[in-house]
Order: sequence, then structure tokens, then C-alpha cells
Amino acid sequence: AQSVSQHNHHVILSEAASLELGCNYSYGGTVNLFWYVQYPGQHLQLLLKYFSGDPLVKGIKGFEAEFIKSKFSFNLRKPSVQWSDTAEYFCAVNARTGGSYIPTFGRGTSLIVHP
Amino acid sequence: DAGVTQSPTHLIKTRGQHVTLRCSPISGHKSVSWYQQVLGQGPQFIFQYYEKEERGRGNFPDRFSARQFPNYSSELNVNALLLGDSALYLCASSLDQVWQLHEQYFGPGTRLTVT
Repeated sequence: AQSVSQHNHHVILSEAASLELGCNYSYGGTVNLFWYVQYPGQHLQLLLKYFSGDPLVKGIKGFEAEFIKSKFSFNLRKPSVQWSDTAEYFCAVNARTGGSYIPTFGRGTSLIVHP
Repeated sequence: DAGVTQSPTHLIKTRGQHVTLRCSPISGHKSVSWYQQVLGQGPQFIFQYYEKEERGRGNFPDRFSARQFPNYSSELNVNALLLGDSALYLCASSLDQVWQLHEQYFGPGTRLTVT
């Protein structure tokens, strides 16, 4: 079964600092990769996704992620964080298992940005 | 447009009881997925339904069941509740079955507490 590991459970940064959140997955086949974000008091929402093509994908609010197939990684980055980026971030993998696509989420990273 | 709606918001049940959770997808969305999110963890996939048929199932016991109605709304049923079933239950809708091509939209969740 596939699994997703998010290495940083809690990250605290000051505004304007750079952000990189790690995500590694274990699955040998074709995968689709996602980052979701949950702002305080709001629903989970899609930040960005990778299906194929350019391994560097750009999402909303200046976020980007790079898919490195050889490392089974899909790290999330932002050059300069803002206080409004304070949220919970989830990496997710969608992999074909049998005749279905089964999504697997990581346990999440809580990001706090100090103004 | 209304987003994904779930009812009830909160629920308290006793061990051994049965519970039904409800989800209404975004208008036009034909796929509904259910997730369980235990505190401090990422969402864990339970079921996906598309066009009233189960299209994917996660690693959950048979006590968990679901169905989708002709209007694409869905119910999640859990029998013989255990303390470990206490969690936030999330519903997500998407345009079709192949949700990796279409974004999933999450609802606010139902907080279930089993005592």
C-alpha cells in the first residue's frame, strides 16, 4: 500500500522567510500528487497538483512544488511567506490500486508565520 | 454557488450505536468521496461513489458503508460504533470519477464523538 510522509510536523517562520515542506511517498507506479491547505476555520482546499509534464508546478498564492521521481518526493516551496500563510498543509498521492484510484494523505504540517 | 454541505455539524454517540452522516455535493458534481480525519492526522480515504456506484474503498471495516442517491447526495453509515471512530468525517465532491483530473472540493466535516 502506498504511504505519504511529511517530515515537518510543525514549522514556525517569520514573515519573508523562505518555506520548504518535505513530502515523500512510497509507490512504484504512476502517481498523481497534490498539496492541500487548510486555513484556520476553513475547509481543505487544493493548493497545487501534478499529473504529468513539467515537474515544477505552480499553485495559488505563490506556492510551487517540484516532483522528483527518483527521490519519490514532491516538496512544497514558497520564496517569501506571509502571515496569511499560517495554515495546515497536507501532501496527498493518488495511485491506481486494482481498478480504482486510492488517495493517501500525509499527516500534515502545521505552519505558523509570525508577523 | 453553494459548496459541499454536510450534516450534522457535530454528533455525540455511545459505543455500539449506529450513525448516519450526510453530504450534498456541489451542484453538477457527480462524485462524492468520504474521509476520516483523526486529530493530528491527515484525512484517510473511506469510499468514493460515482453515479451511485462504489468506485473505490479504503481500508475500513465492513461496519462502514455508504450510498449515493440519484441527486448525487450521499450518506455514510457506521454501525457498532467504537471509541476509535471518534473523528472528523469529511466529504469531498468532484465533477467525475477521475478526480485526479478534476479538483476535489471538501466540505466542513462532521465531528463525531463516541463515548
